[in-house]
Amino acid sequence: NAGVTQTPKFRVLKTGQSMTLLCAQDMNHEYMYWYRQDPGMGLRLIHYSVGEGTTAKGEVPDGYNVSRLKKQNFLLGLESAAPSQTSVYFCASSYSMGFQPQHFGDGTRLSIL
Amino acid sequence: SQKIEQNSEALNIQEGKTATLTCNYTNYSPAYLQWYRQDPGRGPVFLLLIRENEKEKRKERLKVTFDTTLKQSLFHITASQPADSATYLCALVNQAGTALIFGKGTTLSVSS
Repeated sequence: NAGVTQTPKFRVLKTGQSMTLLCAQDMNHEYMYWYRQDPGMGLRLIHYSVGEGTTAKGEVPDGYNVSRLKKQNFLLGLESAAPSQTSVYFCASSYSMGFQPQHFGDGTRLSIL
Repeated sequence: SQKIEQNSEALNIQEGKTATLTCNYTNYSPAYLQWYRQDPGRGPVFLLLIRENEKEKRKERLKVTFDTTLKQSLFHITASQPADSATYLCALVNQAGTALIFGKGTTLSVSS
């Protein structure tokens, strides 16, 4: 059982380039999330989805876009990367936002030069 | 806005002792609180959830308490082992019920 899989694991971009981070879960979860984790800042929610075809903004959504075309996949896009977006990005999923734990992938380490 | 604070960035203890980590929150009363473990280079892993009407919850060597009057949760690891060394995160749902808010974490180091 793979759980939550994130690709790629590492990436280096130049300022202004675009890229898409992929997240896939095999647990049939309705809810999916994208976080970024920076030293001294903890995990911060970028965007989330409560089901296929839905997305919503989290705490730090600026500069990112997301899509949930299929229930098992949640994509995070950076249209024009900036050095401030250098971070570790985590995807997570859960059955609901109720009394349910979130299951995390192992992250994508993104550096923007 | 809701705030969640984990008082210590780092905690160093000796093997066999009990580790106690603190999580404080302000500005509202969550219905439940969760604890996660994160190892270097890995994503957080869920450990325990405690509801507002539960004073204490246990799982093997782990114990979590939830004091809604003090707005505080304590996370205890008894008979700690070097393998318990990791960063521990507390999290609670925001008042709108739309997202988890995570603390910055406490890094526990257990020395043998």
